[in-house]
Amino acid sequence: DQQVKQNSPSLSVQEGRISILNCDYTNSMFDYFLWYKKYPAEGPTFLISISSIKDKNEDGRFTVFLNKSAKHLSLHIVPSQPGDSAVYFCAVYTGNQFYFGTGTSLTVIP
Amino acid sequence: GAVVSQHPSWVICKSGTSVKIECRSLDFQATTMFWYRQFPKQSLMLMATSNEGSKATYEQGVEKDKFLINHASLTLSTLTVTSAHPEDSSFYICSARDRGLAGGLIYEQFFGPGTRLTVL
Repeated sequence: DQQVKQNSPSLSVQEGRISILNCDYTNSMFDYFLWYKKYPAEGPTFLISISSIKDKNEDGRFTVFLNKSAKHLSLHIVPSQPGDSAVYFCAVYTGNQFYFGTGTSLTVIP
Repeated sequence: GAVVSQHPSWVICKSGTSVKIECRSLDFQATTMFWYRQFPKQSLMLMATSNEGSKATYEQGVEKDKFLINHASLTLSTLTVTSAHPEDSSFYICSARDRGLAGGLIYEQFFGPGTRLTVL
């Protein structure tokens, strides 16, 4: 049973515009949420995180929003750059383990 | 940043043979390593957690006799897929937690590049 869902397998965005990646989770008790970025032939690397006590966390061009009532998480990248093209995984951390989404492949078009 | 390597990066084997995948933390000591599996278009699924010097803890539904995990040192964990079958074909990724960061940031888990296993 998928605890974390990313319903969009792919997304294409023009360079300079905003990229919005979405993630839904099933358990309202989850308390720590993360986004990972993965390039081909490399392992995922940590990007940004947010705890359930916040609804927004910003780090440079990357902002993560958390809507607890909707059990929804989103990652905004502004402005998008070609180097941002990668697969993005959302994850939740609970009970000493991670649950990952299926990933969204982002392509930023120059 | 911390680097985790995996070897081999890609392996093809015949059905019934065993395959060993190595996961190494190159510039830090890892008390805990994790093994994940990813099928096409699916998420990373945790298979097992291995702690140095002790038996691995397997997730529900993962056969411990089929997926043998050994964490013999603070920098090396191995996953052996025994008597591999085509349904074991998958992408296997390990990750490691820096011993020096124990109790620190929970996302301090560094991933290897993965190993693509194809069983014919």
